[in-house]
Amino acid sequence: EPEVTQTPSHQVTQMGQEVILRCVPISNHLYFYWYRQILGQKVEFLVSFYNNEISEKSEIFDDQFSVERPDGSNFTLKIRSTKLEDSAMYFCASSENSGGANTGELFFGEGSRLTVL
Amino acid sequence: AQSVAQPEDQVNVAEGNPLTVKCTYSVSGNPYLFWYVQYPNRGLQFLLKYITGDNLVKGSYGFEAEFNKSQTSFHLKKPSALVSDSALYFCAVRDPFNSGGYQKVTFGTGTKLQVIP
Repeated sequence: EPEVTQTPSHQVTQMGQEVILRCVPISNHLYFYWYRQILGQKVEFLVSFYNNEISEKSEIFDDQFSVERPDGSNFTLKIRSTKLEDSAMYFCASSENSGGANTGELFFGEGSRLTVL
Repeated sequence: AQSVAQPEDQVNVAEGNPLTVKCTYSVSGNPYLFWYVQYPNRGLQFLLKYITGDNLVKGSYGFEAEFNKSQTSFHLKKPSALVSDSALYFCAVRDPFNSGGYQKVTFGTGTKLQVIP
């Protein structure tokens, strides 16, 4: 069964450093997302991406965050200068286009745990 | 703005008893509704969805949910709980008619289900 894969599974970084989290969505999916979860609690929306551009972003997704789809398979989240409060589990997700209405459910990866020291 | 409420942080149920995990939603139009399950240190797994049609939807692992438009609810149910059902459950909503962003899926705060042997 196709799945979303994320790397690294765990990254430890110093405050102020840049971090790139990588994701390979399911190959025929058209919509891509990043969510984060702090301490196993609420799953917070960061950004959605469609047709090679950001379609929506939350207030969390400020100028320190960026996303990119550098080739036909990868989808990356970059945090330019990490803060302590960026420590969280980051989940990538993708969904397919069902007749243009995007009725499809999200398929999640296993997550990348980011620890900022 | 779309939102989801899960009023219970935790639900305890004895093995073999029926279980219900509650969810209410708020959207401007007709919602797309989802339930996900998360096991410790794992990603979110899709259980079931309501898009249109029959108000009772069936999903994975014997779970079902009933869409109630008048009560704006989408409660998750299972006739007979198993110890292995113990996990964190998230309700989620997408508002397809939200011109500001029809792809975002908003998650509730999660309900921890504990099935007692």
